[in-house]
Amino acid sequence: DARVTQTPRHKVTEMGQEVTMRCQPILGHNTVFWYRQTMMQGLELLAYFRNRAPLDDSGMPKDRFSAEMPDATLATLKIQPSEPRDSAVYFCASGLVLAGGGGTDTQYFGPGTRLTVL
Amino acid sequence: SQELEQSPQSLIVQEGKNLTINCTSSKTLYGLYWYKQKYGEGLIFLMMLQKGGEEKSHEKITAKLDEKKQQSSLHITASQPSHAGIYLCGADAGGTSYGKLTFGQGTILTVHP
Repeated sequence: DARVTQTPRHKVTEMGQEVTMRCQPILGHNTVFWYRQTMMQGLELLAYFRNRAPLDDSGMPKDRFSAEMPDATLATLKIQPSEPRDSAVYFCASGLVLAGGGGTDTQYFGPGTRLTVL
Repeated sequence: SQELEQSPQSLIVQEGKNLTINCTSSKTLYGLYWYKQKYGEGLIFLMMLQKGGEEKSHEKITAKLDEKKQQSSLHITASQPSHAGIYLCGADAGGTSYGKLTFGQGTILTVHP
């Protein structure tokens, strides 16, 4: 049963520290999404990649956040320096999205990384 | 940008009761997705609707998309405590942004035994 995996599941850090979250998408999926979920803002899209190329990162604070896909099996989301307002659950999702249809009919979500910045 | 509004924001029902959650879009939808989330966990895909008037069912959950493709409803028949959680609708705007989803705020469902 293929799944999206995320590490770490929980992270507590102090303000100013660098945080790196990792995601392993489902093998064969060509699109990877990073979301952030908070009580106030709900589920927000931060960035997404297709075939490892960044397509849209307009939801991400550029000065401190960066997202990359060093290879097809790994996506990373970094925050440097972290701030208390970054405390949230960060989800990664993957899917097979084809222009003419025929891909997966949904995005598959990982279990999330719960980040607390003190 | 596409906005989705869900109603109600929260719902408390007695086990066995039927319930409906609505999702309204400010724009015509290319695709509408329903997910369920339990606290502290990721989102679980329920159903996807794409055609106007489309209706899909899985076990006791039925989702519909109206003909204009701007409103969807999720109906649960004879609710059970296992149905409790947060239900989110997600919209795919299609076009050059196909595959990119915008989510509603979610509906928190509590089912009392």
